[in-house]
Amino acid sequence: QMQLVQSGPEVKKPGTSVKVSCKASGFTFATSAVQWVRQARGQRLEWMGWIVVGSGDTNYAQKFQERVTITRDMSTSTAYMELSSLRFEDTAVYYCAANSIDAYDIWGQGTMVTVSS
Amino acid sequence: SYELTQPPSVSVSPGQTARITCSGDALPKQFAHWYQQKPGQAPVLVIYKDNERPSGIPERFSGSSSGTTVTLTISGVQAEDEADYYCQSADSSGTYVVFGGGTKLTVL
Repeated sequence: QMQLVQSGPEVKKPGTSVKVSCKASGFTFATSAVQWVRQARGQRLEWMGWIVVGSGDTNYAQKFQERVTITRDMSTSTAYMELSSLRFEDTAVYYCAANSIDAYDIWGQGTMVTVSS
Repeated sequence: SYELTQPPSVSVSPGQTARITCSGDALPKQFAHWYQQKPGQAPVLVIYKDNERPSGIPERFSGSSSGTTVTLTISGVQAEDEADYYCQSADSSGTYVVFGGGTKLTVL
């Protein structure tokens, strides 16, 4: 079945970086796009950016423009999201989602990132 | 920055019809998608491109669009539909994607 499996929970110190992976299976990763979304506890979904897997083109939310990098490795069908200069307020669940239709219909299980000193 | 506006909450009794709206200036130009999210779970796409239903989503879920507002309609609401619902769309250029603030659907 179509699925995205994300890497496990992370605990990071302020000022460091985190890199979350998202491995695809069951659909054609090379012709998809992947978006990254985060959600702080009790808060709304927040779009961070996307990557067109085939071309590698990316688009980032203005809020994260300076700190986020989304990449992909087509050989392993894996997308990555790296967030730098971490702050306490970056503590959240981070989701990846991919499209097998004209919308993001395949979601990962989420990765909890905790920023703590 | 572009925003999508949703009511914070909607309440309905089982079997009734729930309507959740999402308003944004660019919605006449950009498609909207709707996601259902239950506590502790990842979002699930329930409507895409304003009114298309993904396979596996019950027929009681439908979507419509009129001007700057899109609406998610759940007919014959069931207890299992209690969840948060988010709309997602893009600004008029299609560059920046946003989510609405989310609507908590309570089944009384």
